[in-house]
Parts: sequence; structure tokens; C-alpha cells
Amino acid sequence: QLHLQESGPGLVKPSETLSLTCTVSGGSITSGNFFWSWIRQTPGKGLEWMGGFYYGGTTYYNPSLKSRVAMSVDTSKNAFSLNLNSVTAADTAIYYCTRHLGAYTNPFEYWGQGSLVTVSS
Amino acid sequence: EILMTQSPATLSVSPGERATLSCRASQNIDSNLAWYQQRPGQPPRLLIYGASIRATGIPARFSGSGYGTEFTLSISSLQSEDFAVYYCQQYIYWRTFGQGTRLEIK
Repeated sequence: QLHLQESGPGLVKPSETLSLTCTVSGGSITSGNFFWSWIRQTPGKGLEWMGGFYYGGTTYYNPSLKSRVAMSVDTSKNAFSLNLNSVTAADTAIYYCTRHLGAYTNPFEYWGQGSLVTVSS
Repeated sequence: EILMTQSPATLSVSPGERATLSCRASQNIDSNLAWYQQRPGQPPRLLIYGASIRATGIPARFSGSGYGTEFTLSISSLQSEDFAVYYCQQYIYWRTFGQGTRLEIK
């Protein structure tokens, strides 16, 4: 059974960079043609897809965040990361890492438990 | 951006009865529609994809239908664990979610 676990600071200051890591167990990020994504959830905007990637392939970012977001993979740790720069209070959210049911053109099958990040000074 | 509109915002149904939730897309999405269930403190769980295909391990009382812009999630014979928030999501162009329908006990 695939398991995803988010980790990172729970508090980030405005204008700084939010960094989260998703550690995957029960399967390898590098195997299979799976797409991996980050999603966040706020009371105001609900669920928002931030972007994702194929290992060794294409990365897609939500156009609304594209200028501030970056994702990377650490195969030695079987993990992937999210960086979101120039954060404001509007970026306060629960952040989820997910794996799609196959390719990019599929819904989100596996979810981490989520990581609450608060942006505040 | 494709907007997903769910109705009603809150639905009150008695245990053992049937619940019907609606989702409308702002443009044609064929059958590229998924439904998720979210219980308090938990991440969303995939229930239905391809508008009508149950995900692995999802009970048969959950069923989805629709095509194009109008979609429905039906839950027959509601169990206590079914009272939760339900989201629809399109995955034909980028990915967007509806605002959710809260299914509460009547």
C-alpha cells in the first residue's frame, strides 16, 4: 500500500519561502508512469491543484501560481518537494501531496495526511 | 479555467435513505470527472472517476453518472460513515474542484 507523508515547517513568515517534502513509502517515485501532485486546501478557496510532475519528465504548474512555485525530486530519499516563494497570509493552508491514478490525465488516487502551514509574522 | 459548481451546499438526509449530489461544469468535460469524500481531519478519498467508475474498495452504494457538463453522485442506503463533505473535480483541463456539498444527518 502506497503511503505519502508531508513534512516541513508549520509556520512561515510573510515574503519568505514555504518548503515542504513528501516522503513516499510502499512504492518508488521512479517506477511506473505515475504523476505526482501537490494540492492545498483553504476554507476560502477550497481545494486547489498547485502542480505536479512525472519523474524524469514533464512538470506542470497551476498558471495562477506558476511564477512562485517549484517542485523537485530526491530519489535517494524517495521524496519530492514543494517550494512556494513570496508567501502571504493567503497561502495559509493544508498542503497535500498526492499520486494520480496513473498518468496526468487521471484523478488523485493517493493522498498524504496533509501538512498545515500558517503564514504569519 | 473550468468552474465546477456543486449543489446543494448542504444536504440533510436520514440514515438508510438515498442522497443525490449534483455537480455542474462550466464547459464540456466529457467524462473526466471524479468525486471525493472528505471526513473531518482526513484528506479527500477518491470515490468515483471517469464519472461513473468506482475506485478500488468503494462500496457499491456509491454510484456516479453524467457526461459533458452535468454530473450526479448517488449514495443509496446512507450509513453513518457516509456523512461527510463531497467534492467533484474535473481533470480534462488543468484540475479544478467544486466547493463541496456537506452531507449531514437529518
